[in-house]
Amino acid sequence: DQQVKQNSPSLSVQEGRISILNCDYTNSMFDYFLWYKKYPAEGPTFLISISSIKDKNEDGRFTVFLNKSAKHLSLHIVPSQPGDSAVYFCAATGTAKMNYGGATNKLIFGTGTLLAVQP
Amino acid sequence: DAGVTQSPTHLIKTRGQQVTLRCSPKSGHDTVSWYQQALGQGPQFIFQYYEEEERQRGNFPDRFSGHQFPNYSSELNVNALLLGDSALYLCASSLYGISTYNEQFFGPGTRLTVL
Repeated sequence: DQQVKQNSPSLSVQEGRISILNCDYTNSMFDYFLWYKKYPAEGPTFLISISSIKDKNEDGRFTVFLNKSAKHLSLHIVPSQPGDSAVYFCAATGTAKMNYGGATNKLIFGTGTLLAVQP
Repeated sequence: DAGVTQSPTHLIKTRGQQVTLRCSPKSGHDTVSWYQQALGQGPQFIFQYYEEEERQRGNFPDRFSGHQFPNYSSELNVNALLLGDSALYLCASSLYGISTYNEQFFGPGTRLTVL
């Protein structure tokens, strides 16, 4: 049961143009969403996140949009740069308190989208 | 700050063997989570340790077990290895949080190959 889906395995964009990466989820309990970037031979690195109480979060060239009714989020990169070429993972979690008193940090990841930014 | 470190970097085992992977969390972090990333897939949550106890577990068999030490470092053990256990194993550390999400920092992973 794939709760977080990234339906585009790859995306190729020209340098300077906009990159749009998409992600869909099925679990209504998810209330926090993240994008991670991964280079080969490295672990995923956090890029940007959004809480379900918002519909947009912006950080420099990166903007994440959340459409809760459609259970869809997207990552916009403007302008795209060759150094942005990497695999991008969408992830989701629910921040409800666990029985031991802490919040879950369990992330559910999508399968990733390989972004190639052409010079 | 060294960030999250994992050892070894690569490992080759044969079916039926046992393996232990190690993780040192980022300085100041007290919670460690382990993920398995198979080829072409996203990372899948295995389990999470806090205060030396397993707090959450994903859909993985009992062959996967772990441990957290008083210094917050952690081990992942896999018994009776199967070919399907070949994957990149990622460790992530974070701070304990109450009803909030605390950012997870990932290590570079250990590449396990089972022959």
